[in-house]
Amino acid sequence: QKEVEQNSGPLSVPEGAIASLNCTYSDRGSQSFFWYRQYSGKSPELIMFIYSNGDKEDGRFTAQLNKASQYVSLLIRDSQPSDSATYLCAVIYAGNNRKLIWGLGTSLAVNP
Amino acid sequence: DAGVIQSPRHEVTEMGQEVTLRCKPISGHNSLFWYRQTMMRGLELLIYFNNNVPIDDSGMPEDRFSAKMPNASFSTLKIQPSEPRDSAVYFCASSLREGSTDTQYFGPGTRLTVL
Repeated sequence: QKEVEQNSGPLSVPEGAIASLNCTYSDRGSQSFFWYRQYSGKSPELIMFIYSNGDKEDGRFTAQLNKASQYVSLLIRDSQPSDSATYLCAVIYAGNNRKLIWGLGTSLAVNP
Repeated sequence: DAGVIQSPRHEVTEMGQEVTLRCKPISGHNSLFWYRQTMMRGLELLIYFNNNVPIDDSGMPEDRFSAKMPNASFSTLKIQPSEPRDSAVYFCASSLREGSTDTQYFGPGTRLTVL
C-alpha cells in the first residue's frame, strides 16, 4: 500500500515567519512530487512540483526533495495571512499510470 | 480560458435517489479525473480517463458508482442508488498529457448531501 503522510496540524506561524510543511512517502519508486494549496470550501490548486533531488524555488515558495530519505517539504518565506490554507502533498509512483497518491494535508494558520 | 466546469455545485437528495454529476474539462486536455473528498479520507481518486477511455477505475467504491466520458468535452459520474455515506465533495480535474510532471486542474466541486 503506497502512502503519503503529512502532519495534519494545525501549524500556526506568525506573519513574516517561515512556514515549513513536511511530507513523507512510502515507496522509493516515485517520480514526481506536487504541492497543492486548498482554501476552505475551494478546490485544490497547484503551487509547484519537483522531481529532482534538491531545492526548487518559486517566489516565496521552496520545495525540497530528498529521495534517499523519502521526504519532500515546502517552505513558505515571509508568510502572509493569505497563505492560511490546507497544503496537500501528492506523489506519482513509477508505473502508477500517472495516478496521484494524496496526503491528507496540513492545515496552516498565519497569524497577523 | 474557462477552467474545469462542474455542475451542479450543490446537490441535496434523499437516500435511494439517483445522482448525476457533470464535468466539462479544459479544452485540449486529454486526461480527466474524478475525485471524492471527505474529512476522514481526504482526496480519493475514483476513476480517470485518457482520451475518453477509462484507464483506472479501481477507486470506484462499488457498483452503485459509474462514470462515462462520451466525448472529449463531457463526463458524468452517476450514483444509483445514493446512500448517506456518499455525502462528500466530488471534484473533477483535467490535465494535458505531459508525462510525470503534468498538472491537474480542478473544478470547483460538487457538494453532495444524501439525507
